[in-house]
Amino acid sequence: ELKVEQNPLFLSMQEGKNYTIYCNYSTTSDRLYWYRQDPGKSLESLFVLLSNGAVKQEGRLMASLDTKARLSTLHITAAVHDLSATYFCAVGHNYGQNFVFGPGTRLSVLP
Amino acid sequence: DAEITQSPRHKITETGRQVTLACHQTWNHNNMFWYRQDLGHGLRLIHYSYGVQDTNKGEVSDGYSVSRSNTEDLPLTLESAASSQTSVYFCASTPGQGGTEAFFGQGTRLTVV
Repeated sequence: ELKVEQNPLFLSMQEGKNYTIYCNYSTTSDRLYWYRQDPGKSLESLFVLLSNGAVKQEGRLMASLDTKARLSTLHITAAVHDLSATYFCAVGHNYGQNFVFGPGTRLSVLP
Repeated sequence: DAEITQSPRHKITETGRQVTLACHQTWNHNNMFWYRQDLGHGLRLIHYSYGVQDTNKGEVSDGYSVSRSNTEDLPLTLESAASSQTSVYFCASTPGQGGTEAFFGQGTRLTVV
């Protein structure tokens, strides 16, 4: 059974600081997705990582995938308040037809 | 623009009533999913479908059913609503194999009293 863990589950950080969110999963997969969710809103796709060593960057966020370690990271550079949200990783299985989500990391960026 | 829509956005119902939540997508996606989101549990898969007439149980399917009579719609039915089914429900879709991310509807907040 595929299980997905994230840590930390809660993260409070100051503007301008850097931090990394970790996503570990239990069985082999080369498909990893990151989503953002604002309070009361739906999930918005951030990154799609489809191979070992994949790295994607958008603004202050950078995601990477290490399939051998079964680990993905979401790195935040020089955080700003607008990044406050809950971030979910999801792992694809069954040839990418299905997804298992991590519990989410609630990020608060304080001024 | 193609999209995925859920209705209603909010619903209050009584224990024991049958409730149906609608999900409609205009992308012509093969795969559709229903998740529930609860504090402390993230998103948990209820049911999913890989195409017309195909339905499969997910992690938390007890008390729920779905049917897929066309490509665009996957309605979720709570056969006899229970307070434990108070949650936010999300519908999602993907084209199928190939690694494309899932696209989510806006969610339905269901309260069972």
